[in-house]
Amino acid sequence: DTGVSQDPRHKITKRGQNVTFRCDPISEHNRLYWYRQTLGQGPEFLTYFQNEAQLEKSRLLSDRFSAERPKGSFSTLEIQRTEQGDSAMYLCASSLQRDTEAFFGQGTRLTVV
Amino acid sequence: GIQVEQSPPDLILQEGANSTLRCNFSDSVNNLQWFHQNPWGQLINLFYIPSGTKQNGRLSATTVATERYSLLYISSSQTTDSGVYFCAVTENDMRFGAGTRLTVKP
Repeated sequence: DTGVSQDPRHKITKRGQNVTFRCDPISEHNRLYWYRQTLGQGPEFLTYFQNEAQLEKSRLLSDRFSAERPKGSFSTLEIQRTEQGDSAMYLCASSLQRDTEAFFGQGTRLTVV
Repeated sequence: GIQVEQSPPDLILQEGANSTLRCNFSDSVNNLQWFHQNPWGQLINLFYIPSGTKQNGRLSATTVATERYSLLYISSSQTTDSGVYFCAVTENDMRFGAGTRLTVKP
């Protein structure tokens, strides 16, 4: 098992375009989290899944953001009509259950120009 | 939601010095983790420590869940210890503090 994998590592997009990021959790991990991190800040919670169910969504997540985990394995995070303020590092983490250790991927760095 | 506060926000040390980083949280939690963020942005697991004390080489951590705080100790600091240290707590979801930026000077 190679750990949590995120793709792509870097994405540059023009304002107004849609982007989609993928996260592959550690095998058999039921919990999957998405975070956004801007320079000098701690990771901000976006949403999390327990298997395929999306259990919570932050108020930071506008209607332009959507996340899915259709089969309880990999997850995608889509941003529609990107804005310059969406430029950030997007981090994914997984854990076996709620009260177990979480592990992070290397992140996807998004730049909106 | 649960609030997580880390202190100090910034810490500058000479190589070889010891340091203590603190994490306070506002409510009961099911677990607590300490991470080190490397220069490429990846979060590296240091400790999973919902309670008690753990040690790993020059690093150790203590969580006193009843008093809602955790401490990360770094002894004999090295320049490679530089970076940002985060604590994260889980009630239902996992929430982070703002981090402590540690700079170790040679």
